[in-house]
Amino acid sequence: SQQGEEDPQALSIQEGENATMNCSYKTSINNLQWYRQNSGRGLVHLILIRSNEREKHSGRLRVTLDTSKKSSSLLITASRAADTASYFCATCGGYNAGNMLTFGGGTRLMVKP
Amino acid sequence: GAVVSQHPSRVICKSGTSVKIECRSLDFQATTMFWYRQFPKQSLMLMATSNEGSKATYEQGVEKDKFLINHASLTLSTLTVTSAHPEDSSFYICSARSGRLVSYNEQFFGPGTRLTVL
Repeated sequence: SQQGEEDPQALSIQEGENATMNCSYKTSINNLQWYRQNSGRGLVHLILIRSNEREKHSGRLRVTLDTSKKSSSLLITASRAADTASYFCATCGGYNAGNMLTFGGGTRLMVKP
Repeated sequence: GAVVSQHPSRVICKSGTSVKIECRSLDFQATTMFWYRQFPKQSLMLMATSNEGSKATYEQGVEKDKFLINHASLTLSTLTVTSAHPEDSSFYICSARSGRLVSYNEQFFGPGTRLTVL
């Protein structure tokens, strides 16, 4: 079963706007990761945030993690049409959990030029 | 970054045939490989975890005899869908992890294999 729930399921914005996607999970985690998937393609790893971190940046990406609320958010600033894809969060329980990833339902982002 | 390939990228077969999908880590040794299944517009569901040289661990609800997994070397894992039926049509994605890479927790994903069973 899926660990995470993502919100919204679909998001449509204009180029240049910011896109925010949220992810909630249920059990304790070692880290949380965000992935991107273009239609019919494999996953691309975007960013990993550890359970003792609260915020992380990578280029136009900003990820936050609130372990007390068991939630994370992914912010894409100044979006581009090329950012159109599905975005998934995945929680990792760490070594004792076999380092398995459990994926959320995903957010389908469409950026209109 | 580490590269994982899958072959074939797309396969169409008749109902009742068996299909083998290969997952290779190209530039690192994968101590663990994972197989996922993804239905259209849905998330990835973990099917099984395989460690090199040992039997795969299947997730609840995944038939071991239906989805045969072999991880015979540190760079290759195969998933065989036996006696495929139309309901097995899906996007199959593998990922690989190496305990030796700096990004210990990171899984590197293959590009996926689209299976269509007629």
